[in-house]
Amino acid sequence: GENVEQHPSTLSVQEGDSAVIKCTYSDSASNYFPWYKQELGKGPQLIIDIRSNVGEKKDQRIAVTLNKTAKHFSLHITETQPEDSAVYFCAASKAFNKFYFGSGTKLNVKP
Amino acid sequence: DVKVTQSSRYLVKRTGEKVFLECVQDMDHENMFWYRQDPGLGLRLIYFSYDVKMKEKGDIPEGYSVSREKKERFSLILESASTNQTSMYLCASSTPVLVGLGEKLFFGSGTQLSVL
Repeated sequence: GENVEQHPSTLSVQEGDSAVIKCTYSDSASNYFPWYKQELGKGPQLIIDIRSNVGEKKDQRIAVTLNKTAKHFSLHITETQPEDSAVYFCAASKAFNKFYFGSGTKLNVKP
Repeated sequence: DVKVTQSSRYLVKRTGEKVFLECVQDMDHENMFWYRQDPGLGLRLIYFSYDVKMKEKGDIPEGYSVSREKKERFSLILESASTNQTSMYLCASSTPVLVGLGEKLFFGSGTQLSVL
């Protein structure tokens, strides 16, 4: 089955700096890669996603890049704000109802 | 607004008890899921259902069963709770992002289950 590895497990940045979270996957058939943000006491919420026919996608301060050859994808957050503090999960999927999640990254943005 | 509601935020049960975790979604979604979240392990799929009375095992189904009698409700059952089932349980429902190109998951807030 698919194996998704996520790094780092914790990340601490100063407000205004950039943050990068990286994931690798093992199954070359995976074709959909979402990122979820989980705030304290809440369930994860989709923040951005990318499909395998696209190399990069941006949404305001958030961007995701995908390198299919190397089987890795990354989340980039620019101009971080305290409200970006949360746990972030990457995931990989090749079937509509099967997701494989990374182990999570706890991002702390210091004011 | 989309809503997935889990019946309990915190639950404490004894070893050997039968435990029911309830989940309701108000979006008329076909697919519903139960995940388990443990530190350092991410989210792992226990069971999912793609229609009423239909279910499929996920990656860690041992010790669990599920029930979906109505489209909006998906229940997770621990037949005989054990201490290694102490965890955060997340219910989700999904809708296609684009047909054939991925699903968007909507999660509930989770149930933190402690088995003593």
